[in-house]
Amino acid sequence: QSVLTQPPSVSAASGQKVTISCSGSSSDIGDNFVSWYQHIPGTAPKFLIYEDHKRPSGVPGRFSGSKSGTSATLDISGLQTGDEADYYCGTWDRSLSIVIFGGGTKLTVL
Amino acid sequence: QLHLQESGPGLVKPSETLSLTCSVSGGSIRSNDHLWGWVRQPPGKGLEWIGNSHFTGRTNYSPPLKSRVTISVDTSKNQFSLKLTSVTAEDTGVYYCVRRWGENGADFEYWGQGIMVTVSS
Repeated sequence: QSVLTQPPSVSAASGQKVTISCSGSSSDIGDNFVSWYQHIPGTAPKFLIYEDHKRPSGVPGRFSGSKSGTSATLDISGLQTGDEADYYCGTWDRSLSIVIFGGGTKLTVL
Repeated sequence: QLHLQESGPGLVKPSETLSLTCSVSGGSIRSNDHLWGWVRQPPGKGLEWIGNSHFTGRTNYSPPLKSRVTISVDTSKNQFSLKLTSVTAEDTGVYYCVRRWGENGADFEYWGQGIMVTVSS
């Protein structure tokens, strides 16, 4: 069961920008850092964003994260066909003592 | 570059124990700053955290799975393992071994390629 809410799908044209939202509550997103992952089916998920907005080494600047209150967003600019993937947000829920993920958002680049 | 590789049976019978191993290369499992664990993905569904272990043996498990899960680290082999008892069809999915950074977030820096496990008689 996914406690964080993400839109099932988003789409945008190549070269454009897309925003993926992740909604939670005061005990999860509102109280802890958010991470984001890119998952191309059949491959290992890739660590994209940590501590709400920081990028691990090697992640292009086209990927950016932010958070406000109990919601987080992932922005992807300059969309490329290679960005087509499922994107997941995740955080720690202090009240449940559990890592929780969103249900995932499928990105289609038109 | 750290590399994680899962291994184990792809088919497990209902009520039996699922056992997987993750081999770590390119780095030591004896890291004070990292945790070693498992995340799974049922078919057509999202990611689910199972739990993790520090190399010292300190563990943390997802509450819904806690009664059935054991994650252990073998520092001599630079490996860690997952045991999930009394499996049902709901335990079918792709299992990923992961390295996690910190205990109060969802920072899974490294992932294995994943191994598909089917629970069926």
